[in-house]
Amino acid sequence: SAVISQKPSRDICQRGTSLTIQCQVDSQVTMMFWYRQQPGQSLTLIATANQGSEATYESGFVIDKFPISRPNLTFSTLTVSNMSPEDSSIYLCSAGDRIDGYTFGSGTRLTVV
Amino acid sequence: AQTVTQSQPEMSVQEAETVTLSCTYDTSESNYYLFWYKQPPSRQMILVIRQEAYKQQNATENRFSVNFQKAAKSFSLKISDSQLGDTAMYFCAFMKQQGGSEKLVFGKGTKLTVNP
Repeated sequence: SAVISQKPSRDICQRGTSLTIQCQVDSQVTMMFWYRQQPGQSLTLIATANQGSEATYESGFVIDKFPISRPNLTFSTLTVSNMSPEDSSIYLCSAGDRIDGYTFGSGTRLTVV
Repeated sequence: AQTVTQSQPEMSVQEAETVTLSCTYDTSESNYYLFWYKQPPSRQMILVIRQEAYKQQNATENRFSVNFQKAAKSFSLKISDSQLGDTAMYFCAFMKQQGGSEKLVFGKGTKLTVNP
């Protein structure tokens, strides 16, 4: 299974600013996924990122707020834009497929003050 | 719409004993994949076990096994010889195919505590 390096592991940001989270995969993968996880809760899919095409966003998430880049088959970024305290959460990236399973990054704990 | 239900928000077990976590799902698809993930306090999501729906044989990975009942749409996880390191949140997930892509739908999780 793929190994994913995610950074930063945590950050404290001022409201109104933006944070970009990076995920690097140690092998080429077709699809990457971005999730949000509120403390003590389950994972909610933000968007699916395929290389060479626009990311597909889930209901309730928009590109202006969560722009995603997928420049190649091993890398993706998620930006949380114009942050507010409601954006405080854990953000995780994932990659893989149904055959090998889906691997996750170690998560980014974001606190907006 | 596919949904995944984990009816046990919290469970506890004594070290070395066996515990079963329940999961039910709803789908109209005939072939699909199911997963159990473990998330310890480190928050790293770890794949525990996966099951392909058309395979009737229950998946097993060391101390972890599943009881897959396709007709009942049930996918429970059994942990044998529980260890302190098994303390974690456990998420059941259904792999959904949509518009040529696929994505995981997660249950709300079960918090498992293994007591010494």
